[in-house]
Amino acid sequence: DVKVTQSSRYLVKRTGEKVFLECVQDMDHENMFWYRQDPGLGLRLIYFSYDVKMKEKGDIPEGYSVSREKKERFSLILESASTNQTSMYLCASSGYRGTDTQYFGPGTRLTVL
Amino acid sequence: AQSVTQLDSQVPVFEEAPVELRCNYSSSVSVYLFWYVQYPNQGLQLLLKYLSGSTLVESINGFEAEFNKSQTSFHLRKPSVHISDTAEYFCAVTDPSYGGSQGNLIFGKGTKLSVKP
Repeated sequence: DVKVTQSSRYLVKRTGEKVFLECVQDMDHENMFWYRQDPGLGLRLIYFSYDVKMKEKGDIPEGYSVSREKKERFSLILESASTNQTSMYLCASSGYRGTDTQYFGPGTRLTVL
Repeated sequence: AQSVTQLDSQVPVFEEAPVELRCNYSSSVSVYLFWYVQYPNQGLQLLLKYLSGSTLVESINGFEAEFNKSQTSFHLRKPSVHISDTAEYFCAVTDPSYGGSQGNLIFGKGTKLSVKP
């Protein structure tokens, strides 16, 4: 079974803190994604990566950065957390083809106080 | 740009009743279509997908979806729902506008299916 794991299920941080969200996949997938999920807004793509050290901005990259030093690991970084970044963060991975299924992690619910 | 519209944000139904969750997409170019399901406190998982061939696709738990190119729709149906089908359902379509990868999806805003006894 494909497994995508995220470092924390729940995280509470203070405004201004630097926050790291880690995601690891075990299927040698080329593509990895970070989404943000908010009620009534669905999933919005923050960043994605199609290869090691490669990254591309999604629809809402402001306030976020990413790192992919190894193929299996994709990190989302909030340089200075703000209250409007309180949300559910979902990581996903897939092969490189448009027909490939995206496999999701369980999500990290981040609260910024 | 490609977009996906899920017409109903919430659908309440009684157990054993039929249900249809509606999904429309905007692009007329060739696309792949997906339905994902999110059970409470979990990540998303694939329910079914349309790639090519027969326009009717089925999942292992009794859901089916029909690709209608002329109406740019991919509605999800189940003839008889169970309490365990209570979840949020997301329709998604591949986005050909991203040049770096063919794996990007555009998601709808989701439909919460609530099955009542």
